[in-house]
Amino acid sequence: SQELEQSPQSLIVQEGKNLTINCTSSKTLYGLYWYKQKYGEGLIFLMMLQKGGEEKSHEKITAKLDEKKQQSSLHITASQPSHAGIYLCGADNSGNEKLTFGTGTRLTIIP
Amino acid sequence: NAGVMQNPRHLVRRRGQEARLRCSPMKGHSHVYWYRQLPEEGLKFMVYLQKENIIDESGMPKERFSAEFPKEGPSILRIQQVVRGDSAAYFCASSPGRGGQPQHFGDGTRLSIL
Repeated sequence: SQELEQSPQSLIVQEGKNLTINCTSSKTLYGLYWYKQKYGEGLIFLMMLQKGGEEKSHEKITAKLDEKKQQSSLHITASQPSHAGIYLCGADNSGNEKLTFGTGTRLTIIP
Repeated sequence: NAGVMQNPRHLVRRRGQEARLRCSPMKGHSHVYWYRQLPEEGLKFMVYLQKENIIDESGMPKERFSAEFPKEGPSILRIQQVVRGDSAAYFCASSPGRGGQPQHFGDGTRLSIL
């Protein structure tokens, strides 16, 4: 099984609706990073979580790390076309700054 | 306020040639990481470097691949005698190296092998 599982693999959401993406690790997380990637481009850093129970928000995006530090969720409120892209979670499982990435969630926003 | 700069953006090589990919970290960042994204696969860690030192190369293929981050100039990922399977997007990231700081990524180099 994968060390880092993301779900769903793809998501089609009507503009204005809320959505959640999940990231589950088989190991304890020293750090959990959320990035967004547009096709053919680089990764844009969104948020970093390190402490169990931590929650961070930026504009309409909120990310949480559960108390046991093995699962994170990314929640988008009132989705917009600009939110479309591939969302990747990256895990630091050993504190050595080597990140393991999930396979990504492809988000499509429809009118 | 430049971010991580990678060049070239696209690189085409014939089988057996050498590929050199360059990465200039963000200002103030002394740690560089290389990742590879194969078609339809996720990002895979390759190597982690500080100035003049390789910290972790556990993700590097044993042969043909090497990386350096000299005292002056960009970090270089070098692939010798390229094969079709080397076709991928190669991403560089950098961080200040202080604990708990995120890695910031460049736009990547798309390597195509003919």
